[in-house]
Amino acid sequence: QVHLVQSGAEVKKPGASVKLSCKASGYAFSSYHIHWVRQAPGHGLEWMGIIDLSGGTTVYAQTFRGRVTMTSDTSTSTVYVDLSSLRSEDTAVYYCARGWDSRYLDYWGQGTLLTVSS
Amino acid sequence: SYVLTQPPSVSVAPGNTAIITCGGNNIGNYGVHWYQQKPGQAPLLVMYYDSGRPSGIPERFSGSKSGKTATLTISRVEAGDEADYYCQVWEYSSDHYVFGTGTKVTVL
Repeated sequence: QVHLVQSGAEVKKPGASVKLSCKASGYAFSSYHIHWVRQAPGHGLEWMGIIDLSGGTTVYAQTFRGRVTMTSDTSTSTVYVDLSSLRSEDTAVYYCARGWDSRYLDYWGQGTLLTVSS
Repeated sequence: SYVLTQPPSVSVAPGNTAIITCGGNNIGNYGVHWYQQKPGQAPLLVMYYDSGRPSGIPERFSGSKSGKTATLTISRVEAGDEADYYCQVWEYSSDHYVFGTGTKVTVL
């Protein structure tokens, strides 16, 4: 069965950077993509970007361009998202989710709460 | 950027039908997918490509699209259907994924 297990909650100060992880299991890791989606408290879902694990190419949402980097480690079937220059508005639950050429997100991780506060 | 608009809330009595709409410019050109999110949980895919139902999703959930609107219909609503629902498309010209504004379904 497909599982996406995300790293634990983080607390960061404004201006800092954070790296969150998402470990996949139960399927052929490199045959799919991984999306990152975030949800601020009381708000809706916001797509951040996607990494194609077959070749490592990335597409980032305009909102995050310049501040976000998505990478992967095929040896551990783990995907990472790096977000820099954190501000209080980045406080949110960050989800990883599996996708592929079907253009929908079929399995989701449990989410990681990031709190940005001085 | 592409915008998908949903009603903020829908209220329905148990056993009745909940209809959740998702509007977007030229939405007929896009495959629309739907997610259910219960409090404190990750989203769950409940409909793909307008009307496809993933394994494990009850037949009470159905989807359609007509004109400028996609619709998720929940028949014979149960208390367990109370959740937030989001539509989503892949906007091909920008290669971006877009989520709708979300609809909170309340079971009275």
